[in-house]
Amino acid sequence: AQSVTQLGSHVSVSEGALVLLRCNYSSSVPPYLFWYVQYPNQGLQLLLKYTSAATLVKGINGFEAEFKKSETSFHLTKPSAHMSDAAEYFCAVSLNTGNQFYFGTGTSLTVIP
Amino acid sequence: EPEVTQTPSHQVTQMGQEVILRCVPISNHLYFYWYRQILGQKVEFLVSFYNNEISEKSEIFDDQFSVERPDGSNFTLKIRSTKLEDSAMYFCASSDYPKNTDAFFGQGTRLTVV
Repeated sequence: AQSVTQLGSHVSVSEGALVLLRCNYSSSVPPYLFWYVQYPNQGLQLLLKYTSAATLVKGINGFEAEFKKSETSFHLTKPSAHMSDAAEYFCAVSLNTGNQFYFGTGTSLTVIP
Repeated sequence: EPEVTQTPSHQVTQMGQEVILRCVPISNHLYFYWYRQILGQKVEFLVSFYNNEISEKSEIFDDQFSVERPDGSNFTLKIRSTKLEDSAMYFCASSDYPKNTDAFFGQGTRLTVV
């Protein structure tokens, strides 16, 4: 079975500080992993994805994530938070079958000026 | 840039009524999905659709739900007799798997059952 756990439903950082959003996955087969962002009253936008190529994945808006098989983790980071980063972030896992995504419960990021 | 579009953005309906949520997937995509997000909870998979049939569905997707691709562009989710607990944001998504593994999501339809 596939699942995703996001530690911390709310994270607050100061503007300019490091952003670290945690995601651990469980999968019976090599997974595909994704981070999506949801701004208020908007849909889900893909930030980045891991599909068994490079383990360090760079996404949009300066975000990146590192796939660590030994830790079953796919944490999202950004060196310097910007006010516009305030949003809900979802980690998701899927199999290579074209079917469903399994989402985590989400982490709400607040950026303090 | 191509995008998934959903209509309406917000629908209010009375309990027991039927609702149809509409989606226009990206034109060259072959896989279509519906997800829902109850307020404050995680995004949950409902159903995936490929080659004019359901390829996978979750426990949530019971007999009250149905999906259809009535023409070459629209993809609809019908809830036959709405319940209060059906109130949620419903997201449509499409993907061009196996070319790409990610899915493109629409803006969502907020369904409120009163």
